[in-house]
Amino acid sequence: GENVEQHPSTLSVQEGDSAVIKCTYSDSASNYFPWYKQELGKRPQLIIDIRSNVGEKKDQRIAVTLNKTAKHFSLHITETQPEDSAVYFCAASPGGSYIPTFGRGTSLIVHP
Amino acid sequence: GAGVSQTPSNKVTEKGKYVELRCDPISGHTALYWYRQSLGQGPEFLIYFQGTGAADDSGLPNDRFFAVRPEGSVSTLKIQRTERGDSAVYLCASSRGDSSGNTIYFGEGSWLTVV
Repeated sequence: GENVEQHPSTLSVQEGDSAVIKCTYSDSASNYFPWYKQELGKRPQLIIDIRSNVGEKKDQRIAVTLNKTAKHFSLHITETQPEDSAVYFCAASPGGSYIPTFGRGTSLIVHP
Repeated sequence: GAGVSQTPSNKVTEKGKYVELRCDPISGHTALYWYRQSLGQGPEFLIYFQGTGAADDSGLPNDRFFAVRPEGSVSTLKIQRTERGDSAVYLCASSRGDSSGNTIYFGEGSWLTVV
């Protein structure tokens, strides 16, 4: 089955800095890569996703890049704000099964 | 409904007891998922329904866990003879379940504590 590794487990930045979270996956059949943000005690919420036919996608301050050859994908957050503080999860989903496998999460702390 | 709804939001039960957790997916979503999330971990897949049938139950940890979705909408996750290690947040999610996209939307979860 699919295996998703996520790094770092904790990321601490100053407000205004950029943050980068990296994930790798094992199943070359995976073709859909969502990112979720989870605040304490809340549900994971989709913030951005990318499909395997695209190398990069941006939405305001967040962007995701995908390297299919290396089986890497990354989340980039620019101009971080305290409200970006949360746990972020990457996931990979093979097209046939539609079942996302999640990474272990990155706790992002943005200091004012 | 507007989103995925789960009940109860919190459940405390004694070791050995039976529990049921309910999930009401987004209206029209044919795919339904159960995940389990322990503290400091990512969601761990349990079972996936497409319509009424369990298309993949490979994530269920053992035969104490069972889930049903008899009419293709509401699903119930059933845990028999609960153990302290079952304590976790049980997340339900749903999606359109077609090849045009597989964004899954989570509910708020059911926090299960086995004492």
